Amino acid sequence: GDSVTQMEGPVTLSEEAFLTINCTYTATGYPSLFWYVQYPGEGLQLLLKATKADDKGSNKGFEATYRKETTSFHLEKGSVQVSDSAVYFCALINSGGGADGLTFGKGTHLIIQP
Amino acid sequence: GAVVSQHPSWVICKSGTSVKIECRSLDFQATTMFWYRQFPKQSLMLMATSNEGSKATYEQGVEKDKFLINHASLTLSTLTVTSAHPEDSSFYICSASRPNSPLHFGNGTRLTVT
Repeated sequence: GDSVTQMEGPVTLSEEAFLTINCTYTATGYPSLFWYVQYPGEGLQLLLKATKADDKGSNKGFEATYRKETTSFHLEKGSVQVSDSAVYFCALINSGGGADGLTFGKGTHLIIQP
Repeated sequence: GAVVSQHPSWVICKSGTSVKIECRSLDFQATTMFWYRQFPKQSLMLMATSNEGSKATYEQGVEKDKFLINHASLTLSTLTVTSAHPEDSSFYICSASRPNSPLHFGNGTRLTVT
């Protein structure tokens, strides 16, 4: 079946550091890929997405590029802020397998220190 | 094992009837649970935040009289789709926060309204 693997946390960085959260996937067909963010005490929010190979999703300074050759969708940000502290989830929808549900990674807790 | 149980996993109902979906936290108390909806091949969208002992907080555009949320105990939140119509057919997912732990998702409920 489909699966998403992302780096385990917590990941602790200093403000203005460069961020990378790794995400790799296993899926048949041609999935769409997503990053979701959950801020403390809030529900999940869509951060960015990419629907085909080589697409780059971006939002709020975060970027992720759909790499089919490495089955990856790593999340990056050039300079993190304290307000970026949250849990980040990588997810996919497999458009080729006929399933409509999302497959989530386990989440990566990001802590940014001032 | 699963820490959030959602039931039923799928349901088919006739137009005009109501359907109740349960979300239980199995081994922890969840003061807050979240309900999401996913349309086919699209991303997950937050519908509402369910707070134990108080009214749910609905996201903009979500009809509170249509999607009734009750969080009567620290381990159970229910979503009732009232007077269901075919356009309510979707995949509904709940999640709960566990102290000092990332978000846990239920397995989702696929609702089909005929």
